[in-house]
Amino acid sequence: DTEVTQTPKHLVMGMTNKKSLKCEQHMGHRAMYWYKQKAKKPPELMFVYSYEKLSINESVPSRFSPECPNSSLLNLHLHALQPEDSALYLCASSQDEPGQGSGANEKLFFGSGTQLSVL
Amino acid sequence: DAKTTQPTSMDCAEGRAANLPCNHSTISGNEYVYWYRQIHSQGPQYIIHGLKNNETNEMASLIITEDRKSSTLILPHATLRDTAVYYCIVSGATDSWGKLQFGAGTQVVVTP
Repeated sequence: DTEVTQTPKHLVMGMTNKKSLKCEQHMGHRAMYWYKQKAKKPPELMFVYSYEKLSINESVPSRFSPECPNSSLLNLHLHALQPEDSALYLCASSQDEPGQGSGANEKLFFGSGTQLSVL
Repeated sequence: DAKTTQPTSMDCAEGRAANLPCNHSTISGNEYVYWYRQIHSQGPQYIIHGLKNNETNEMASLIITEDRKSSTLILPHATLRDTAVYYCIVSGATDSWGKLQFGAGTQVVVTP
């Protein structure tokens, strides 16, 4: 199984709602990531989890709250979002974190994303 | 994190080889070159990576110059399904620890 599964595929929410995005992988990968992608722009790194611990937070606003309940699951909790937060949210995983010098083990496997619209 | 420079867009005829250049002149000795592509509305897909030597797999070939300051991704026989944004990224064990940052990429359009 080389898949990263993200749910839901589409989400529409109001600015006062609380919702969660879910990501799952069963490849035994030790690192998991959240990226945000606006239309016609490259993906931007938000968070990195390594061995279920948050290792990188790219100065993301606190209305985005990541959680890694176990080695296979990654959640992104959303609260009080703004319309400008509308984007494609991508989850990824890798055997090792980039920068460990292991080449092949650092390649990322991405899910197909959650298209989020904030009204 | 070493920066990369890629052309904004390029067209390629179906069945022909597509050669995608990438400049990474500030790459350091332990940084890898990775290529990913993203087909519209899908997540990025890993293509290939290399350190110093040229590499080939079932999807593409990667040619890295001897000084490692640039590389070329080669899609040997482009098909319409290869239309995508192609990202060249360098990542290694320096100040890029834990971060894989995407640049603007090259929009490749394969035409019949």
